[in-house]
Amino acid sequence: GDSVTQMEGPVTLSEEAFLTINCTYTATGYPSLFWYVQYPGEGLQLLLKATKADDKGSNKGFEATYRKETTSFHLEKGSVQVSDSAVYFCALSDRDKIIFGKGTRLHILP
Amino acid sequence: DGGITQSPKYLFRKEGQNVTLSCEQNLNHDAMYWYRQDPGQGLRLIYYSQIVNDFQKGDIAEGYSVSREKKESFPLTVTSAQKNPTAFYLCASSINRDRGETQYFGPGTRLLVL
Repeated sequence: GDSVTQMEGPVTLSEEAFLTINCTYTATGYPSLFWYVQYPGEGLQLLLKATKADDKGSNKGFEATYRKETTSFHLEKGSVQVSDSAVYFCALSDRDKIIFGKGTRLHILP
Repeated sequence: DGGITQSPKYLFRKEGQNVTLSCEQNLNHDAMYWYRQDPGQGLRLIYYSQIVNDFQKGDIAEGYSVSREKKESFPLTVTSAQKNPTAFYLCASSINRDRGETQYFGPGTRLLVL
């Protein structure tokens, strides 16, 4: 069946460092791909999404490119801030189902 | 402002007690969902509803029940049959269940067992 695998955390970086959180997927169809972010004690918010191969989603300095050849949707940011500390979830939606990864906790040190 | 509200923020359950978590949306979305979140396990789907008066079991429906009498409301009852109910519960909605539709989440309810 369809699945999402993302790197285990926690990931700890210093402010202004470059961020990559890896996400790979398996799917039988042509899924849409998402990154959601969860701040402490809150629900999830959509960060960005891409609906077809080679699409790039971007928001708040984060970006991710839908790579069909490597079945990946890695999240990147050039310069992280303390306020980016949160849990990040990669997800795929295929047909009528959405599947979430287990989440990656990110800590940014000032 | 449009959005999803969940109440209460914290809920305590005694042994053998049923408790109901509220979820309301004013986004005019057809689809609504309940997820359970445990540390290190991501989100697991409990129930979903595509339309009023219809709902389907998700991956971990045992010990839970739902209703969808109004488009705006999708309450979740945690029954006494759910032996390990302590978790963070998230409600979400989307325009429909088509591929590519964004899910919008509420702020969550944390359920604790006394």
